[in-house]
Amino acid sequence: DIQMTQSPSSLSASVGDRVTITCRASQGISNNLAWFQQKPGKAPKSLIYGASSLHSGVPSNFSGSGSGTDFTLTLISLQPEDFATYYCQQYNNYPFTFGQGTKLEIK
Amino acid sequence: EVQLLESGGDLVQPGGSLRLSCAASGFTFSTSAMSWVRQAPRKGLEWVSTISGSGGSSYYADSVKGRFTISRDNSKNTLYLQMNSLRAEDTAVYYCAQLTSHWGQGTLVTVSS
Repeated sequence: DIQMTQSPSSLSASVGDRVTITCRASQGISNNLAWFQQKPGKAPKSLIYGASSLHSGVPSNFSGSGSGTDFTLTLISLQPEDFATYYCQQYNNYPFTFGQGTKLEIK
Repeated sequence: EVQLLESGGDLVQPGGSLRLSCAASGFTFSTSAMSWVRQAPRKGLEWVSTISGSGGSSYYADSVKGRFTISRDNSKNTLYLQMNSLRAEDTAVYYCAQLTSHWGQGTLVTVSS
């Protein structure tokens, strides 16, 4: 199985900050990587697919990059509504696997 | 507007069975691979199963293989998850998802005596 490792596990930041979350795959997954945002008590929301393509309706404040084994999610200027938990997921091979999550908190 | 509406979650005893349903609308269901993803209390996301648009191919996590069965009825735009031999560790919110795009709101399955 492909292991997905996110870092950091948690992060404190302020409104307006630039934040980067990293996701590393245990083997190459091409660009078959998605990012999701989840707020407490809510369903996950799709942000990015294909490592860098924004899902419809996702603000351009979010940016994804990477290919192979190393990927990043960048929040260019944090907004109050961006404080949430973020997950990466590979869909290159079954079983599909998620990273453990990165909790983004307000400083 | 895409909508995915799960139902069927309940409290069930260990060893019991449950069938979850997911009613889909707002997109071409029959050509879309669909998945179930679960989240145990205070834990991360875990992929459970995926089925192809035609229903001809299905895939499972090792943790549920042989106990859970994913299926779909394209005439009813509905996805199913039949869960047998349930264990305490299957307790979770179960989400229906068109994985890289849309997710349902989830349905809670609790396995406890």
